[in-house]
Amino acid sequence: GAVVSQHPSWVICKSGTSVKIECRSLDFQATTMFWYRQFPKQSLMLMATSNEGSKATYEQGVEKDKFLINHASLTLSTLTVTSAHPEDSSFYICSASLGRGEEPYNEQFFGPGTRLTVL
Amino acid sequence: GQNIDQPTEMTATEGAIVQINCTYQTSGFNGLFWYQQHAGEAPTFLSYNVLDGLEEKGRFSSFLSRSKGYSYLLLKELQMKDSASYLCALMDSNYQLIWGAGTKLIIKP
Repeated sequence: GAVVSQHPSWVICKSGTSVKIECRSLDFQATTMFWYRQFPKQSLMLMATSNEGSKATYEQGVEKDKFLINHASLTLSTLTVTSAHPEDSSFYICSASLGRGEEPYNEQFFGPGTRLTVL
Repeated sequence: GQNIDQPTEMTATEGAIVQINCTYQTSGFNGLFWYQQHAGEAPTFLSYNVLDGLEEKGRFSSFLSRSKGYSYLLLKELQMKDSASYLCALMDSNYQLIWGAGTKLIIKP
């Protein structure tokens, strides 16, 4: 099956610093990657959708200057949380898909997630 | 717009059967997914329905009625490891997943 990795698995940083999270599709080329955030006991919240070589599409309420997304290749997308603050502490999950309408069923393959704690 | 509803929490007994319901409203539909998520982990794929009917996969089955905007996930022969949150997700006309809030399933011995 398709495998997506994330790095790091967890990170603790000081308020005001920037943190970069990598998402890689290991055995397939991901046309589209998605970044989600999940707070405790809540469902996944889509932050942005990124297609290789183009700018990410951010969901309403997500600051694009704070959450920088780069999808430089078909196997790598990065999310940088700039000037992180304690309220940014969350579980960040990426997923990857082959793209629109791709068989077998447009499945999104999830990375293991990155737990960010901002002190 | 879209809306997805599923119960917040359910409790069942080991070895029993449980049905988790999901109702939705949407203008565009490209399928309905069920994912399992253990605490602190990413979701894992369970099932996908795009046509009406029942899809069976081992102990797990998923049902869809597009006319009623209704799906359920059926778990048989429950095991303690099935304790997790179960997320219903709708794929809209733009192939984006719209997530339900999840149902926390508690399995008791």
